[in-house]
Amino acid sequence: GQQLNQSPQSMFIQEGEDVSMNCTSSSIFNTWLWYKQDPGEGPVLLIALYKAGELTSNGRLTAQFGITRKDSFLNISASIPSDVGIYFCGGGYNKLIFGAGTRLAVHP
Amino acid sequence: SQTIHQWPATLVQPVGSPLSLECTVEGTSNPNLYWYRQAAGRGLQLLFYSVGIGQISSEVPQNLSASRPQDRQFILSSKKLLLSDSGFYLCAWSVPAGLQETQYFGPGTRLLVL
Repeated sequence: GQQLNQSPQSMFIQEGEDVSMNCTSSSIFNTWLWYKQDPGEGPVLLIALYKAGELTSNGRLTAQFGITRKDSFLNISASIPSDVGIYFCGGGYNKLIFGAGTRLAVHP
Repeated sequence: SQTIHQWPATLVQPVGSPLSLECTVEGTSNPNLYWYRQAAGRGLQLLFYSVGIGQISSEVPQNLSASRPQDRQFILSSKKLLLSDSGFYLCAWSVPAGLQETQYFGPGTRLLVL
């Protein structure tokens, strides 16, 4: 069946640093989604991607739909303390699956 | 705009007791609805999804069941809870869009079975 690998599992960075995380799938997807989840809350959609090669920004966040349609990355520039949380990728073709998440900690 | 509600926010139940979690969506019609479970520090496991009233698909065999009595209402139930049912339960909705759908999550219900 389909598998979705998200890396890294966790990151501990200094405030102001840039962050990059990615997801890869074992099959071709036509949708990639990136979410952020704060403790005790539901995931909030950050960026949605629907076309291979698509590059979309949302403030300091940028995500891209890989041209092979099997991967996507999320970059956060100039991190701030409120970026702390768990970032999930979701993707699929007709049916979504989700990565295990990247836990981000930002040291002031 | 669309909003999704879940209640209760937190629930502590004894083993063997029944369960009913509710999810409602406002501001949209005929949404696809989903129930996920998230174990502590883990990813999202799809439990059930529904494309319409009374239509439920189960993704994994388990102690839980789901129902959709109204277009924008999705209920997760159990007759007898197990310790392993503890977790964070998330409801999500999407607008049916063929092969591409974007899911939006509710605030979640934290269930602790003792």
